[in-house]
Amino acid sequence: RKEVEQDPGPFNVPEGATVAFNCTYSNSASQSFFWYRQDCRKEPKLLMSVYSSGNEDGRFTAQLNRASQYISLLIRDSKLSDSATYLCVVNKAHNTNAGKSTFGDGTTLTVKP
Amino acid sequence: EAQVTQNPRYLITVTGKKLTVTCSQNMNHEYMSWYRQDPGLGLRQIYYSMNVEVTDKGDVPEGYKVSRKEKRNFPLILESPSPNQTSLYFCASSPRQGFTYEQYFGPGTRLTVT
Repeated sequence: RKEVEQDPGPFNVPEGATVAFNCTYSNSASQSFFWYRQDCRKEPKLLMSVYSSGNEDGRFTAQLNRASQYISLLIRDSKLSDSATYLCVVNKAHNTNAGKSTFGDGTTLTVKP
Repeated sequence: EAQVTQNPRYLITVTGKKLTVTCSQNMNHEYMSWYRQDPGLGLRQIYYSMNVEVTDKGDVPEGYKVSRKEKRNFPLILESPSPNQTSLYFCASSPRQGFTYEQYFGPGTRLTVT
């Protein structure tokens, strides 16, 4: 089993739709969580950090569920420009592994007119 | 402009010919890291550095070396490249606030080893 697993996708949605991605992680000691966006083999760009209390940035909402060991990303009112691959990232906390980042394989979203 | 730069952006080389991919950041970040990205395998961490003179292995360190002599630079060295190291490589840096590593990525280096 992979340390970080994402919905395989692809997700094809119409403009204006609401879409949600989940990401599960296996290491219960994981400390910090992020969502990144990657366009067509360009560099990943930070979309959101994921906080325990959940956080929202415009149309994007991220949630963390430590008990079930998953994070989620909700995109409301999808735009064509949201089409990309979304990567979840988990960082470890232990002193011996602090600094290790594990990426999920990504979920591809295509928003259609 | 705050950025992470990588050079070269594209490189085609032959098996066994030593090469170095440079990475530099101008944000005074403590943390830097190298990743490779391959189709179907996602981004995998090669090495990371928590600070100057401190480096640690990621998940796929075999065949790579790194050094961190200065805060801003974190070169990736392939002493004897092989075709299975053909990949897209990304360098990243982070200000490292506690256990949080919000990483900022360079534009990538596309390496082909023949």
